[in-house]
Amino acid sequence: QLQLQESGPGLVKPSETLSLTCTVSGGSISTPTYYWGWIRQPPGKGLEWIGGIYYSGSTYYNPSLKSRVTMSADTSKNQFSLQLNSVTAADTAVYYCARHRRGSSQNFDYWGQGTLVTVSS
Amino acid sequence: QSALTQPPSVSGSPGQSVTISCTGTSSDVGSYNRVSWYQQPPGTAPKLMIYEVSNRPSGVPDRFSGSKSGNTASLTISGLQTEDEADYYCSSYTSTTIVVFGGGTKVTVL
Repeated sequence: QLQLQESGPGLVKPSETLSLTCTVSGGSISTPTYYWGWIRQPPGKGLEWIGGIYYSGSTYYNPSLKSRVTMSADTSKNQFSLQLNSVTAADTAVYYCARHRRGSSQNFDYWGQGTLVTVSS
Repeated sequence: QSALTQPPSVSGSPGQSVTISCTGTSSDVGSYNRVSWYQQPPGTAPKLMIYEVSNRPSGVPDRFSGSKSGNTASLTISGLQTEDEADYYCSSYTSTTIVVFGGGTKVTVL
């Protein structure tokens, strides 16, 4: 059974960089056809797609966040990561990592449990 | 890219049917059968319930069904049960930003 687990600081100061890692177990991020994505959910609000990455390093980002987002993948550790710079209180959210099926289908079929990141001084 | 439009809430009694709409545009729902639906009980991660408009992943009860007409997709829960009480989100592929989510619908079982 595929499992994803987010990890990283729960508190980040304004203007600094938010960094999260997603560790995948029960499967490989190098499996062809699957992509790996990040989605966030501000407290009490809806889901917002951040972006995703293929194991080769190819990335695709939400245009609204593109200028602040960087994603990377480490196939040796079976992990992928998110960096969001110049954060503000508006970036406070639960951050989820998920497996992203693309192509003729598009959906997020496996999700991590999510991690709350608070932006505050 | 604006979020897909969902009603904020729907409700029904146990055993009844409820339908949640998800309205997009010709750039997303209207042009692609890549619509998916997610269930999110309070305090938990979203769970995929429907993909490619009307397909159910293994383990999802058949009382959950999906459909699409024009720019609007729909999720129907037949034979509503108390455990179906949750937030539901639609999502679609979009030619402009790849992924777009709906604003979410809270389903209440009366």
